[in-house]
Amino acid sequence: AQSVTQPDIHITVSEGASLELRCNYSYGATPYLFWYVQSPGQGLQLLLKYFSGDTLVQGIKGFEAEFKRSQSSFNLRKPSVHWSDAAEYFCAVGEDYQLIWGAGTKLIIKP
Amino acid sequence: DAGVIQSPRHEVTEMGQEVTLRCKPISGHNSLFWYRQTMMRGLELLIYFNNNVPIDDSGMPEDRFSAKMPNASFSTLKIQPSEPRDSAVYFCASSHPGTTYEQYFGPGTRLTVT
Repeated sequence: AQSVTQPDIHITVSEGASLELRCNYSYGATPYLFWYVQSPGQGLQLLLKYFSGDTLVQGIKGFEAEFKRSQSSFNLRKPSVHWSDAAEYFCAVGEDYQLIWGAGTKLIIKP
Repeated sequence: DAGVIQSPRHEVTEMGQEVTLRCKPISGHNSLFWYRQTMMRGLELLIYFNNNVPIDDSGMPEDRFSAKMPNASFSTLKIQPSEPRDSAVYFCASSHPGTTYEQYFGPGTRLTVT
């Protein structure tokens, strides 16, 4: 079975600083990879996805992620965070019909 | 589009009572998922419907939980009888034909069982 690991439970970043959230997966073939964001009190929203092709994918809200097969990673990045980016971020991999979810990383923004 | 609609947004009930959570998926979507989210266990898939048919209910915790989807625009998740350990946020999500991975989530129902 596939699994997804997000090693950081929470990360604190100053507003305007760059951000990288880590995600590692275990899967034999080329995975379908996703990042979702959950703002406080809300449901999850798809940020970006990787199916195939260019390993650097762009998403909404200025986020991007890079698929690195050699490292089994799909890290999420943003060059400059805003206070409104404070949320919980979930990495997921598609298996059959369902998503296998990571435990999430809570992003805290310092003013 | 109105997005996925869930009701109620908050539910407080006493142990032993029946609880019914409701979901209206996005029009045109043919897959529907019920999730439970807790601090301890994270996000858990409870049940998956495709074209109104339950495909996988292996995540339903026990017989106290049941879910129905009588038509393409409505689904319910029922807990009877409820227990304090059922306290969680319950999400409904839907996806359009062609992909079950791009899921649109509702705002959730926060359930507290005392």
